[in-house]
Amino acid sequence: GENVEQHPSTLSVQEGDSAVIKCTYSDSASNYFPWYKQELGKRPQLIIDIRSNVGEKKDQRIAVTLNKTAKHFSLHITETQPEDSAVYFCAASLGGADGLTFGKGTHLIIQP
Amino acid sequence: DARVTQTPRHKVTEMGQEVTMRCQPILGHNTVFWYRQTMMQGLELLAYFRNRAPLDDSGMPKDRFSAEMPDATLATLKIQPSEPRDSAVYFCASGLSVGETQYFGPGTRLLVL
Repeated sequence: GENVEQHPSTLSVQEGDSAVIKCTYSDSASNYFPWYKQELGKRPQLIIDIRSNVGEKKDQRIAVTLNKTAKHFSLHITETQPEDSAVYFCAASLGGADGLTFGKGTHLIIQP
Repeated sequence: DARVTQTPRHKVTEMGQEVTMRCQPILGHNTVFWYRQTMMQGLELLAYFRNRAPLDDSGMPKDRFSAEMPDATLATLKIQPSEPRDSAVYFCASGLSVGETQYFGPGTRLLVL
């Protein structure tokens, strides 16, 4: 089955700086890659997603890039703010008839 | 705005007892997923349904777990008998089709003593 690796497990950045979280996946047939943000005690919430026919997608301060050849995708957050502090999960899906395989998560800490 | 709902939000039970968790997907969504979250294993897919039919439950311990969709507005996850290692947060998610955007419920926090 699919395997998703996520790095780093913890990331601490100064407020206003950029943060980058990286994921790799194993199954070249995967074609859908969402990112979820989870605050302590809350549900995972979708923040951005990308499909395999697109190399990059941007939504205000958040962007995701996908390299299908290398089988990796990354989340970029610019101009980080205190409310960006949370655990971020990447995931991959085969589409069609399959659920999401998640990475282990990255705890992002924004230092004031 | 429309959200996935789950009940109960918290459950404390003793080992050996039956546990039933319920999920109401977003109206109109035809795909329902069950995930389990623990510190050690992270978020794991347990089972999912499309148009109320089970598509995959390979992530679920078959001897004690069962998942059903009695109708389009209700999904259930049962554990019988429960064990301490089942302690986790169980999330339900729904979407319009498999492999596309999934919306998570608030989760059921289960503690088995």
